[in-house]
Amino acid sequence: KQEVTQIPAALSVPEGENLVLNCSFTDSAIYNLQWFRQDPGKGLTSLLLIQSSQREQTSGRLNASLDKSSGRSTLYIAASQPGDSATYLCAVRGNYQLIWGAGTKLIIKP
Amino acid sequence: GAGVSQSPSNKVTEKGKDVELRCDPISGHTALYWYRQSLGQGLEFLIYFQGNSAPDKSGLPSDRFSAERTGGSVSTLTIQRTQQEDSAVYLCASSLDLHPLFFGEGSRLTVL
Repeated sequence: KQEVTQIPAALSVPEGENLVLNCSFTDSAIYNLQWFRQDPGKGLTSLLLIQSSQREQTSGRLNASLDKSSGRSTLYIAASQPGDSATYLCAVRGNYQLIWGAGTKLIIKP
Repeated sequence: GAGVSQSPSNKVTEKGKDVELRCDPISGHTALYWYRQSLGQGLEFLIYFQGNSAPDKSGLPSDRFSAERTGGSVSTLTIQRTQQEDSAVYLCASSLDLHPLFFGEGSRLTVL
């Protein structure tokens, strides 16, 4: 049974720092992995999707990596800004079903 | 449409009443999911539709919950005889097969 873990559960850093969020999964038989952000009281916004055959994806200041063999993905945020404050979730897709991490609540201090 | 649209955005109802929540997915998306998110909690899977296949209803918490998807597009989640523990944000998401999943803004349900 696939399990997805996100560590840390919460993170607070000063503005301008580069940071890494972690997502680990127990079963490497995945189709893809997707990172989302969720602002308070809002739905989820898709950030990046990495196919199982890919190693990384980049969008602006965000870079997501995938290491299937070790069951890990990281989301790298460069030059963090207060607007990056949100909860970040990763979801692993085995087939149609997605298995979700509990999220990392990120606070960027001005 | 340009994005996943959900209505109503907010619904306050009395215990025992029935409610209907609507989801209009992105045009052409074959897969549609319903999730529930209680305050401060993670996502709870409810039901999944894929094309004309039988839906996966394994996440529905009780027989008071049902959902349908008409014409492979719009979906309605119905909760009968609402209870206070049904209070949550109900999120709909759609995707084209195994491509990225896109979410609506959710329907916040409050049962008094």
